[in-house]
Amino acid sequence: KAGVTQTPRYLIKTRGQQVTLSCSPISGHRSVSWYQQTPGQGLQFLFEYFSETQRNKGNFPGRFSGRQFSNSRSEMNVSTLELGDSALYLCARSWAGGGQETQYFGPGTRLLVL
Amino acid sequence: KQEVTQIPAALSVPEGENLVLNCSFTDSAIYNLQWFRQDPGKGLTSLLLIQSSQREQTSGRLNASLDKSSGRSTLYIAASQPGDSATYLCAALGDSNYQLIWGAGTKLIIKP
Repeated sequence: KAGVTQTPRYLIKTRGQQVTLSCSPISGHRSVSWYQQTPGQGLQFLFEYFSETQRNKGNFPGRFSGRQFSNSRSEMNVSTLELGDSALYLCARSWAGGGQETQYFGPGTRLLVL
Repeated sequence: KQEVTQIPAALSVPEGENLVLNCSFTDSAIYNLQWFRQDPGKGLTSLLLIQSSQREQTSGRLNASLDKSSGRSTLYIAASQPGDSATYLCAALGDSNYQLIWGAGTKLIIKP
């Protein structure tokens, strides 16, 4: 099993609102990476957190932010939502991170912005 | 800038056939090349990870190869089954920025 829980699974918001998504990896996996998947742009890397520190960041505007807690749970926040933020947001866990080893993905949170 | 391309975008074959999915990348400075499958309504499942120093990896009926010099990777599926129906994605990890760059995927349908 993937050992990654993402909540909520589905979400509907309106433009201008903000949203927080949660990702909980199984115990011991300190790396959490976030990805956005859209029909037009495909999968894109958002950022990676390792031991509560952002270790890597993709090319997304500052409206996208995240954090990680001491229990490895991670949250992703999007402020001032735009229609184009409608997407499937995936998070993945791994032991050491950095994309250098197998990542295990959660089922994703599907966000619809109206 | 790394670009990853997967051809074809969709493929439909009868059950039992062997098939090859293609992945090409423009920048050979990669740390590894990864193959995933995505089932509708589900997240991604890692299939194979090939380090830049390796030429191939095998797992069951799956075999992935890597040719950095030509910027190509292939995923070979032997004796295809209806359960193999999914979208297959490849992703290249840059060896400097450690960010995965993804292909658009190949949607595979195995007909019973």
